[in-house]
Amino acid sequence: DQQVKQNSPSLSVQEGRISILNCDYTNSMFDYFLWYKKYPAEGPTFLISISSIKDKNEDGRFTVFLNKSAKHLSLHIVPSQPGDSAVYFCAAHAFTGGGNKLTFGTGTQLKVEL
Amino acid sequence: DADVTQTPRNRITKTGKRIMLECSQTKGHDRMYWYRQDPGLGLRLIYYSFDVKDINKGEISDGYSVSRQAQAKFSLSLESAIPNQTALYFCATSDRPGQIFFGPGTRLTVL
Repeated sequence: DQQVKQNSPSLSVQEGRISILNCDYTNSMFDYFLWYKKYPAEGPTFLISISSIKDKNEDGRFTVFLNKSAKHLSLHIVPSQPGDSAVYFCAAHAFTGGGNKLTFGTGTQLKVEL
Repeated sequence: DADVTQTPRNRITKTGKRIMLECSQTKGHDRMYWYRQDPGLGLRLIYYSFDVKDINKGEISDGYSVSRQAQAKFSLSLESAIPNQTALYFCATSDRPGQIFFGPGTRLTVL
């Protein structure tokens, strides 16, 4: 049962335009959401996060929106740059019986074209 | 220097062989994790450890074992490797709930 879903395996955007990456979740106990970015041959790196008590968090060109009623979050990148081309993973945090852990989505490959 | 290192970075092995993937960190974090990445499946948690005496199974622990030799070291073993364990393996650390820091990954191929 995939609790965190990224339904678009890939996305192609022109340089300078907005990139919108989407993520849906099913577990209402998730209290914190994160986006990670992964380049080939490297480990994922943290990009931006949002608490479940907020609906928006912004950091430079990156903004994450959270819609709790729809169990949906999105990452907006404006303006998109070629260096943003990477795989983006959505992750959700919850406290479980064994402690806290992250559940990751399947990832979206973003390609920013010149 | 990298905060989280993994050795080896690439490994090709045969079915039935025992293999160990090693991870060390200089971040001073208590929490360490092993994930695997497969195309179309994202990152899935194999094992995690919140301190040296604490080991917990993740969602896909079958066929794997771990050892937390010290706060800074967390190794993953495949006792008898099989082809469907071919994947990209990541070690990760954290010092608080939420954000975790990943190593560069080990690409494992089981023939």
